[in-house]
Amino acid sequence: DAGVTQSPTHLIKTRGQQVTLRCSPKSGHDTVSWYQQALGQGPQFIFQYYEEEERQRGNFPDRFSGHQFPNYSSELNVNALLLGDSALYLCASRYQQDEQYFGPGTRLTVT
Amino acid sequence: RKEVEQDPGPFNVPEGATVAFNCTYSNSASQSFFWYRQDCRKEPKLLMSVYSSGNEDGRFTAQLNRASQYISLLIRDSKLSDSATYLCVVNENTGNQFYFGTGTSLTVIP
Repeated sequence: DAGVTQSPTHLIKTRGQQVTLRCSPKSGHDTVSWYQQALGQGPQFIFQYYEEEERQRGNFPDRFSGHQFPNYSSELNVNALLLGDSALYLCASRYQQDEQYFGPGTRLTVT
Repeated sequence: RKEVEQDPGPFNVPEGATVAFNCTYSNSASQSFFWYRQDCRKEPKLLMSVYSSGNEDGRFTAQLNRASQYISLLIRDSKLSDSATYLCVVNENTGNQFYFGTGTSLTVIP
């Protein structure tokens, strides 16, 4: 049983560009959350998707958007990249109120 | 004020030592509490949930004090493999948003 998977593993982008990160939840999970983890910080909640809808959003600008597909996989899109967007982006999945499982993350570097 | 606050450390302790981490949270309506472990350049993994009655899992004991809004993690007989960052996590009553502390770094020294 595969756990949460994310792609790509690493990514380098230039300021102003756009990026799409992908996440496949653990089998049986229907809820996907995205987090941003800057170096030396804890993960910060970006948003959560359930039934293809954004259910809750953290304190992130509209440049951060997402999508959930019928198979529960999810994408995180970031437009107009800033240097400060460089971070580890973590996807976590869960079934209802059960334990949250994290993927290995995508390390984004903006130059 | 941050929703969850932790002492970032680092804590450097010898093998066999007992070490304790504390964490405070700001929202008194918070419902669920957890400790996660994160190894260098890896994803966080659930270490244990924290219940009002306190709970123990082998060498690890977690406690919750709702009146003072703090959570603790005690590690007894530290092993080299315990070296990691320990993240305190709080889930508010909607159940949807998890707030993470900055993490406390632990290094167990031979």
